[in-house]
This record gives sequence, structure tokens and C-alpha cells, in this order.
Amino acid sequence: SQKIEQNSEALNIQEGKTATLTCNYTNYSPAYLQWYRQDPGRGPVFLLLIRENEKEKRKERLKVTFDTTLKQSLFHITASQPADSATYLCALVKDTGTASKLTFGTGTRLQVTL
Amino acid sequence: DAGVIQSPRHEVTEMGQEVTLRCKPISGHDYLFWYRQTMMRGLELLIYFNNNVPIDDSGMPEDRFSAKMPNASFSTLKIQPSEPRDSAVYFCASSLVMNTEAFFGQGTRLTVV
Repeated sequence: SQKIEQNSEALNIQEGKTATLTCNYTNYSPAYLQWYRQDPGRGPVFLLLIRENEKEKRKERLKVTFDTTLKQSLFHITASQPADSATYLCALVKDTGTASKLTFGTGTRLQVTL
Repeated sequence: DAGVIQSPRHEVTEMGQEVTLRCKPISGHDYLFWYRQTMMRGLELLIYFNNNVPIDDSGMPEDRFSAKMPNASFSTLKIQPSEPRDSAVYFCASSLVMNTEAFFGQGTRLTVV
């Protein structure tokens, strides 16, 4: 089965810097993966989706890369702000078939300080 | 739309009692998912429905767990009898298309004592 690894240690970063979070996976290469943000006491919120044939995706201050050779996705937040503090989850989909389910990593907590 | 609505937000119950969690998906979404989140195991898919029909319940941990979707606007997850190891946050999510953007509810924090 697919194993997804996200750094369980919290990432502490200073305001204004770029935060980079890592999502590594084993076994099969997913058809696409998604990134979600989760705040304490709330459900995950969708941020970005990237397909296996896409190297990079951007949305405002967010950037996601997808390296199928390294079996890794990187999630970047540029010009980070304290409001970006949250847990970020990556989720993989094996293939584009309707039976293929989202598998989530355990998430990495980001703390942005002044 | 108000988003995915779950109730109750918090539930504390004694071991052996029946627990029912409720979910109202976003109108027009064909897919509904039930997830469980714990510190140890993260977010796990329990079951999902397509057009009110259960498609995959392989994530349901035991026969004590059951889920229904009697219509497009309502689903329940029932645990009977509940056990302390069922304590977790249970999320309901819905989406228009399978495995695209999923919209999550606020979750139900279940504590079984």
C-alpha cells in the first residue's frame, strides 16, 4: 500500500521567509496529489491540485512541485505570514479511475513567527 | 451554500452506547466521504458514497460501524456499541467529482469514556 511521509516535526519560520514543506511517497506514482490546510478544530481546506504530468503549480503565494523521479512533492509559501500558521496535509490519488481514493499524509505543522 | 454541516460538534458517551454522527453535504455534490482523524493514524477514509450509494466501505474498522445515506442531503455514521478506541475526530466531506477538491465539515469530536 502507499506510504506517505510528511515531516512530523513542526516547521518554525520567520515572517517574510519562504516556507517549504515536503511530501514523500513510496510505491506507485500517483496520478495527482492535493495539498490541504487544516487549522485547529476545523476540517481540512483544499489549496492546490497537481497532476503527474505537471511539474509545478502556482496560486498566489503558494507553489507546488511534483517530482515523480524523486517521488516527492514540495509545497512552498513565499513571504510567509503568521496567518499561514496551520497544519498542511498532502493527499495522493493512485489513478484517475472513479474507484481511486484520496490517501492523506499525517501533515506538517507550520508556525510563522514575527 | 453553508458548506458541509456536521452535528454534533462534540460528543461524549460511555462505552457500550450507540453513537450517531450526522452530515449534510453541499447541495449538488455527488460524492460523500466519512473520514476519521487521530494523532497516530492521521486522516483515514472510512467509507464513501456516490449518488447516495455506498461504493467502498473497506475502511470501516469493524462491524460496529455502519453508514447510511438515505437521500442526497443527509448521511449518518453510527457506532454501536462504542468503545474508547473509537475516540477521534470524524469528518464528513463532499465533492462534485471523485478525487477533486473535497469540502470538509467542521468535524465531530467523539470521546468514549
